[in-house]
Amino acid sequence: DSGVTQTPKHLITATGQRVTLRCSPRSGDLSVYWYQQSLDQGLQFLIQYYNGEERAKGNILERFSAQQFPDLHSELNLSSLELGDSALYFCASSARDRLNQPQHFGDGTRLSIL
Amino acid sequence: AQKITQTQPGMFVQEKEAVTLDCTYDTSDQSYGLFWYKQPSSGEMIFLIYQGSYDEQNATEGRYSLNFQKARKSANLVISASQLGDSAMYFCAMREPYNNDMRFGAGTRLTVKP
Repeated sequence: DSGVTQTPKHLITATGQRVTLRCSPRSGDLSVYWYQQSLDQGLQFLIQYYNGEERAKGNILERFSAQQFPDLHSELNLSSLELGDSALYFCASSARDRLNQPQHFGDGTRLSIL
Repeated sequence: AQKITQTQPGMFVQEKEAVTLDCTYDTSDQSYGLFWYKQPSSGEMIFLIYQGSYDEQNATEGRYSLNFQKARKSANLVISASQLGDSAMYFCAMREPYNNDMRFGAGTRLTVKP
């Protein structure tokens, strides 16, 4: 158990809809990262938050947004969903934003768009 | 340009034998971190081992060790005494200064045969 909690584990929805994925980082971790894992693109970094502030953006679509709340949990919002958004979405956390710190991953949310 | 290259899409190993999973990386930074993760069929990402670019010793964690050859820019994972539960996807990843995300390779699927 990594200590990172993601809900829900599975999500099935239709094109055009909007969903929210939730993440609770490990106790004491300030940094939260979101990744998307798909068969054709592999593991892609989406966005990072550190202590409530956006720190870095990766290959995140404009239809996607995220935030980190004062209690450090984070949400990833996906809107106007398309079939290609079907993927496994991971949240990861680390104590600080340093090179030598591993990111600990949650179990992921598997999103299926019908 | 591909930052992390894992050239073995699939590997087979006999139970109780050792196996090496290859990883090469590309960076112009002197300071960086290298990580290996395991992803079983259930989907979660499990942190295995870390190697810093300035570490003089190869990292070891139980049955996992990292064969770090800085001049060759390689960071191969060695799993000793393979077990059936080691069957999974294995990802090599790198973190560089000024990049907040972790760059992952395409992964190697390891199958341990009884």
